[in-house]
Amino acid sequence: GQNIDQPTEMTATEGAIVQINCTYQTSGFNGLFWYQQHAGEAPTFLSYNVLDGLEEKGRFSSFLSRSKGYSYLLLKELQMKDSASYLCAVMDSNYQLIWGAGTKLIIKP
Amino acid sequence: GAGVSQSPSNKVTEKGKDVELRCDPISGHTALYWYRQSLGQGLEFLIYFQGNSAPDKSGLPSDRFSAERTGGSVSTLTIQRTQQEDSAVYLCASSLGTGHTDTQYFGPGTRLTVL
Repeated sequence: GQNIDQPTEMTATEGAIVQINCTYQTSGFNGLFWYQQHAGEAPTFLSYNVLDGLEEKGRFSSFLSRSKGYSYLLLKELQMKDSASYLCAVMDSNYQLIWGAGTKLIIKP
Repeated sequence: GAGVSQSPSNKVTEKGKDVELRCDPISGHTALYWYRQSLGQGLEFLIYFQGNSAPDKSGLPSDRFSAERTGGSVSTLTIQRTQQEDSAVYLCASSLGTGHTDTQYFGPGTRLTVL
C-alpha cells in the first residue's frame, strides 16, 4: 500500500529552527509537496520538490532524497504565526496526491 | 481574482438526509479536486475533474457520494442518506490543469456534521 509518515506533533521555541521529517512509500513518484494548514483553515502551498536536494524559500527550505523516500521541511527563525499543521503529500504514478496526516507544530515564546 | 470558494461553510444535518456542497474554483482553472479531512487525519482524495474528461471517481467511498461539474466551472458534491461517519471537513481545490504537478489551491472547506 501507499504510506506517508510524519510526526504527529512537534514543539519548538520562537526564534529557533525546526525540522519536520516525512518518509514515504508510494507506487511511483512525481514530486513531493509541503502545505501549511492553520487550525480551521484550508491548506496553503509551501513547496514542491521533484529532484534531490534542497530548495530554499526565505525562512522555509525543503529537502528531498528520492532514493531514501525521505523529505524534510526546515523552518528557521520561528515566529508564533508558524504554529500550524504541516502536511506532506506525494504525487504517485497516477498523478494522484497521497497525503500524510500532518505534523502539528507548536511554537512557544 | 478571488480564490476558491465553498458553501456552506458549516452544515449540520440529520442522519439519512441528503446534502449538497458547492465549490467555485479559481477562474481559468481547469482541474478541480474534492477531498475529505477527518479530525486529526490527512486529506482523503474523493474525486478529480479535468476539463471535459471523464472524472476520476476512484476515491469516492460509496455510491452515496457523487459529484458533478457544470460548464467546466462550479462543482457540487452530493452525499445521499448521510451517515455519522460522513462527518468531516470537505475541501475543494483547483489548479491550472496545464500539468499534472500544478499547485492545488484550496477553498476554506465545508464542515459537515451528521447528527
